[in-house]
Amino acid sequence: ETGVTQTPRHLVMGMTNKKSLKCEQHLGHNAMYWYKQSAKKPLELMFVYNFKEQTENNSVPSRFSPECPNSSHLFLHLHTLQPEDSALYLCASSQVAQEGSNEQFFGPGTRLTVL
Amino acid sequence: AQKITQTQPGMFVQEKEAVTLDCTYDTSDPSYGLFWYKQPSSGEMIFLIYQGSYDQQNATEGRYSLNFQKARKSANLVISASQLGDSAMYFCAMREPFYNTDKLIFGTGTRLQVFP
Repeated sequence: ETGVTQTPRHLVMGMTNKKSLKCEQHLGHNAMYWYKQSAKKPLELMFVYNFKEQTENNSVPSRFSPECPNSSHLFLHLHTLQPEDSALYLCASSQVAQEGSNEQFFGPGTRLTVL
Repeated sequence: AQKITQTQPGMFVQEKEAVTLDCTYDTSDPSYGLFWYKQPSSGEMIFLIYQGSYDQQNATEGRYSLNFQKARKSANLVISASQLGDSAMYFCAMREPFYNTDKLIFGTGTRLQVFP
């Protein structure tokens, strides 16, 4: 595997279900991100982990719970979601440094549908 | 507050022609980075090009170039010799200053369609 991978690619769940999204990066980066992409809205940053420490939580509802066990893996645990949470969830990673572009590399995303 | 504006929801261009996708930004910080990403229908965001606020020259990467006009706070993407495979959503993004994090703020995107 290369780059950033995400599983599953598609997920349909009921509002009472509990599921988890998984992201893995094979780039040796030190930061990982979760984004939400809803129709006709800009990408919304949800969480940032730098060196496994959560450095950002953009007022995300508690029904979304991130976990970063090491610098290569990132999870997003989902429970009691709402239909408006249906979206494409993108994971990204980057090498945070003082200089340079430090571009974020994205995974293919998980298309989530909440019924 | 920092903000990215993409005013073109959709653009059409004929194959082999050049196209410019507009992006304006707003920030009060002198240090920032600007990015363009491509998102095909598959969903993955693909990094195209980067421009640092202190870079003296416009960035170029193959057929992509960034027309950086700092005084106007614009960072337009120019795609030369368009190809059918260029059809996708294009997002402009700005990075907040480096404070142990690389937060990106994205615009709403422009859908580019290349026709034969």
